[in-house]
Amino acid sequence: SAVISQKPSRDICQRGTSLTIQCQVDSQVTMMFWYRQQPGQSLTLIATANQGSEATYESGFVIDKFPISRPNLTFSTLTVSNMSPEDSSIYLCSVKSSGANVLTFGAGSRLTVL
Amino acid sequence: AQSVSQHNHHVILSEAASLELGCNYSYGGTVNLFWYVQYPGQHLQLLLKYFSGDPLVKGIKGFEAEFIKSKFSFNLRKPSVQWSDTAEYFCAVIDFGGATNKLIFGTGTLLAVQP
Repeated sequence: SAVISQKPSRDICQRGTSLTIQCQVDSQVTMMFWYRQQPGQSLTLIATANQGSEATYESGFVIDKFPISRPNLTFSTLTVSNMSPEDSSIYLCSVKSSGANVLTFGAGSRLTVL
Repeated sequence: AQSVSQHNHHVILSEAASLELGCNYSYGGTVNLFWYVQYPGQHLQLLLKYFSGDPLVKGIKGFEAEFIKSKFSFNLRKPSVQWSDTAEYFCAVIDFGGATNKLIFGTGTLLAVQP
């Protein structure tokens, strides 16, 4: 399965700032997704990162708050904009290679907003 | 839209006890079902999956799950747990209802195995 590298692995940020998380995959993948795992909760899908076009956002998530880029088949970024303490969470990149519907997850980026 | 329910939020077992974690999904039709595990400090890993065929699916580390279509269930089992099974377990289902096939997660079950 694909190997995913996420950067940063963790960060502590000030309220009102923005942070960009990078997701690099070691092989070309058909689909890339961004999930959020808030403390003590399950994983919630933020959006599907589409190559060369705007991401597809889930209900409750908007592009202005979580802009996403996917310039090619192996790389994507998620920006958390104008952060507040409620954005403190683990953000995970996941990918689906061609073929079966199995997602592989990165180690996640743990974000703490003060 | 598809949804997943996990009824056990916290489970505490002694080593060698048997394990069964409940998982129910909301509607039928084509289903792709998964169990993922997250060991302390590690990332999510696939434990097992069901797409079609034999409803009893065997995964890694002695885990298995049974798909029961009539009950919309996909319960995870292990006959004898070990301390190293301490982890959080997530049931997940593919939602085929939208533009993309999304993976929807349950709320997770935190398993603590006491030596």
